[in-house]
Amino acid sequence: DAGVIQSPRHEVTEMGQEVTLRCKPISGHDYLFWYRQTMMRGLELLIYFNNNVPIDDSGMPEDRFSAKMPNASFSTLKIQPSEPRDSAVYFCASSRYRVYEKLFFGSGTQLSVL
Amino acid sequence: QKEVEQDPGPLSVPEGAIVSLNCTYSNSAFQYFMWYRQYSRKGPELLMYTYSSGNKEDGRFTAQVDKSSKYISLFIRDSQPSDSATYLCAMRTPLTGGGNKLTFGTGTQLKVEL
Repeated sequence: DAGVIQSPRHEVTEMGQEVTLRCKPISGHDYLFWYRQTMMRGLELLIYFNNNVPIDDSGMPEDRFSAKMPNASFSTLKIQPSEPRDSAVYFCASSRYRVYEKLFFGSGTQLSVL
Repeated sequence: QKEVEQDPGPLSVPEGAIVSLNCTYSNSAFQYFMWYRQYSRKGPELLMYTYSSGNKEDGRFTAQVDKSSKYISLFIRDSQPSDSATYLCAMRTPLTGGGNKLTFGTGTQLKVEL
């Protein structure tokens, strides 16, 4: 299996621009998570999906952030408009139902907002 | 106060040393306790997990949980340069919508030197 695939690996954009991060989870995994990692705050859960349905988005920092999962093999995290404080590494992770402890993470998207 | 506290390091040790990594937590609802390892520019990967207080051993790694003190540890014996990475503790709480939430520590950066 190819694992969780994220794109792009790096994104540099200017403040105010729209940013879209993409994720392909492992086939057969029922749960998909979006995390953000910074030095100061570590890994923070933004939102998670179960069977393509958003279950908890309480970690999404502001209305500028939105996430979708149109099918079992694809999810997006969108930031519009982007701000410098959004600069971080964004990870997508997936897991199988009832195997909650083992999250499989992608390699992340390094986002820099100038 | 953060729910999970972890010394960020960096921690530098010579090859062959015994390494001790630690986390404290404040939320009694935490159940499963995990250690993830994260190499530079990669996503975290699960190293070990345990549920109950006590020790769990896997090769050179031992995870220790003391629920009464809200303290968990990871010991690495005969440390190798390939162990150089950031180690994140993580703790699980069930979510009302199903699935679970993992709360991560900020990670301890470990460097094992030749």
